[in-house]
Amino acid sequence: EPEVTQTPSHQVTQMGQEVILRCVPISNHLYFYWYRQILGQKVEFLVSFYNNEISEKSEIFDDQFSVERPDGSNFTLKIRSTKLEDSAMYFCASSEQGSNWSPLHFGNGTRLTVT
Amino acid sequence: GESVGLHLPTLSVQEGDNSIINCAYSNSASDYFIWYKQESGKGPQFIIDIRSNMDKRQGQRVTVLLNKTVKHLSLQIAATQPGDSAVYFCAESQGGSEKLVFGKGTKLTVNP
Repeated sequence: EPEVTQTPSHQVTQMGQEVILRCVPISNHLYFYWYRQILGQKVEFLVSFYNNEISEKSEIFDDQFSVERPDGSNFTLKIRSTKLEDSAMYFCASSEQGSNWSPLHFGNGTRLTVT
Repeated sequence: GESVGLHLPTLSVQEGDNSIINCAYSNSASDYFIWYKQESGKGPQFIIDIRSNMDKRQGQRVTVLLNKTVKHLSLQIAATQPGDSAVYFCAESQGGSEKLVFGKGTKLTVNP
């Protein structure tokens, strides 16, 4: 069964450094997402991406965050200057028809630790 | 405001019993609901979904019930197995938004 893959599985970085989290969505999906989960808390929406542009973003997704689909298969999340509170699991997801019409399929996440 | 919450944070059942996990939602405009299972160290895994024009949907060993009158969603797992042990999240979606709103999660423990 096709799956969403994410790399790396764990990223440790120092405060103020830039990180790029990578994802390969399911190949025939058109909608892409990033969510995060702080330890023991809910899964929170960050951003959705469709047709090569951001379609929706949350208040968490401030100017320090950006997303890109650099080629036909990868989807990345960049955090420009990491803060301690950015430590979390970051999940990439993709959907065939959008979150109101088809389920999101999630990757296994990247654990980001900011020290 | 919007919120999706779970009544019970933990549920412990015996292997072979049926499990029922509940979820309350507050956004009456939500029209698509999904249950996810999350095992330790993994991402949310899709289990079953239901649209607001239905009140029941069945899958393999799982059934989702939707009561729009009281804004309540439940997941029933038949003949619960040790492999069902995980955290279960309900999530809601509203037409016009790409955001999926997750509940807090219920940790299901299946005792052998």
